[in-house]
Amino acid sequence: AQSVTQPDIHITVSEGASLELRCNYSYGATPYLFWYVQSPGQGLQLLLKYFSGDTLVQGIKGFEAEFKRSQSSFNLRKPSVHWSDAAEYFCAVGAFGSGGYQKVTFGTGTKLQVIP
Amino acid sequence: SQTIHQWPATLVQPVGSPLSLECTVEGTSNPNLYWYRQAAGRGLQLLFYSVGIGQISSEVPQNLSASRPQDRQFILSSKKLLLSDSGFYLCAWGGGGGYTFGSGTRLTVV
Repeated sequence: AQSVTQPDIHITVSEGASLELRCNYSYGATPYLFWYVQSPGQGLQLLLKYFSGDTLVQGIKGFEAEFKRSQSSFNLRKPSVHWSDAAEYFCAVGAFGSGGYQKVTFGTGTKLQVIP
Repeated sequence: SQTIHQWPATLVQPVGSPLSLECTVEGTSNPNLYWYRQAAGRGLQLLFYSVGIGQISSEVPQNLSASRPQDRQFILSSKKLLLSDSGFYLCAWGGGGGYTFGSGTRLTVV
């Protein structure tokens, strides 16, 4: 079974500073990897995804993530954080189960606080 | 484009009362549908998934049930709510490209 670890529960960065959110996964095959963002009281929005190919993937809102198989990691980065990026971020790993459905397992999330 | 609607947005229910949360999807047919619950500090827990009408799979034993009476409708129910059922419930539909989530229902059982 797949699993996801987000070791940082809460991160605070200054506006304009760079950001890296860590994610480690466990899965026996090539994983489908995702990052989602959730604003307070809202659903989750897909930021980016990795299935195969180029290990550096670009997403919306200026985010990118790099898949490193040797480290079982899929860290999310942004070169310059904006105050509107304050939210909770979830890393997720997906696998196709029997019957064709995709089971996605989420990490426990990292809350990002942005200070002026 | 595909959209997913979930309601109500917030709900306060007494212990022992019934529950019905509804989720509908537009712009796609035969979607895979999911119900997740989110508790503070615990991430998202998959409750149910459905690959078609009348086909429901449960991931964890619990006080809740799910039904899929129509292709694009997914309902989460309970006959008698418990305090532990409080949380943020999210419906999602999923293709190979990841999930699209509804805006969620905040359920408080009092």
